[in-house]
Amino acid sequence: GQQLNQSPQSMFIQEGEDVSMNCTSSSIFNTWLWYKQDPGEGPVLLIALYKAGELTSNGRLTAQFGITRKDSFLNISASIPSDVGIYFCAGQLRGGGADGLTFGKGTHLIIQP
Amino acid sequence: DVKVTQSSRYLVKRTGEKVFLECVQDMDHENMFWYRQDPGLGLRLIYFSYDVKMKEKGDIPEGYSVSREKKERFSLILESASTNQTSMYLCASSLGGQGATEAFFGQGTRLTVV
Repeated sequence: GQQLNQSPQSMFIQEGEDVSMNCTSSSIFNTWLWYKQDPGEGPVLLIALYKAGELTSNGRLTAQFGITRKDSFLNISASIPSDVGIYFCAGQLRGGGADGLTFGKGTHLIIQP
Repeated sequence: DVKVTQSSRYLVKRTGEKVFLECVQDMDHENMFWYRQDPGLGLRLIYFSYDVKMKEKGDIPEGYSVSREKKERFSLILESASTNQTSMYLCASSLGGQGATEAFFGQGTRLTVV
C-alpha cells in the first residue's frame, strides 16, 4: 500500500511546551485526518482537513493541509498531561474510493514531569 | 455521536481455533473496515466492505475472512488462529461517498493466540 512518513516517531517534552508533528507522502491526498489513541483504546478523530491550504483548529490543536496536497502537520500548544498518547495521521488518496485510509505509523507523545 | 462497538476487549484463543471478532456501528455507515495494529507497523488494513454482502481485500488479508450480512455488522473471522495473529484488532466505519472519508473506530480487541 501507499506510505505515509510520519515524524517524529516519538517526542519527549515538558508540560507546557508546544508540540509539532507532520506527515509527508509522494502521493497526492484528497483528505488528511489526525487521530489520537490512548493506551488500550481505539483511535479518536481530532481534526479532518479537506482542502489544500486549509488550516483548522480544535482547542489547543491546529492542523494544516499542505498546499502540495502531499503533507500535513499537527501542532499542540501548551501541552498538558492528558495529551500523552499516540497521534496518527491518515490520508485518503486522490481518486481513492471506499478502500480505506492510509495511516502513518504514529508519533508517541510522552510528557516528562 | 457515532458509536462503533467491538464485542470483546480481550480474547485469548488457542492455535487452530476458529475465531470471530464482531463489530457493530449505529450510524448507518456504508463502509466498514478491519485493521490490525502492531508495534512499529502502525495500522494495516485487513478487509473492508462498502455495502452489505460486499467485501474487498486490504493489504494483509491472508489468514482472515469477513462477513457483512447486515449493514450495521461486520465480522472478522480467523479460520485457524495462529500465534502470529496475536495483535490489536480495530474496526472502523465511515459514511462513504465523496468527501465523507472520516473513519470512526471501535475500542479495539486485543487478541492473544497461545
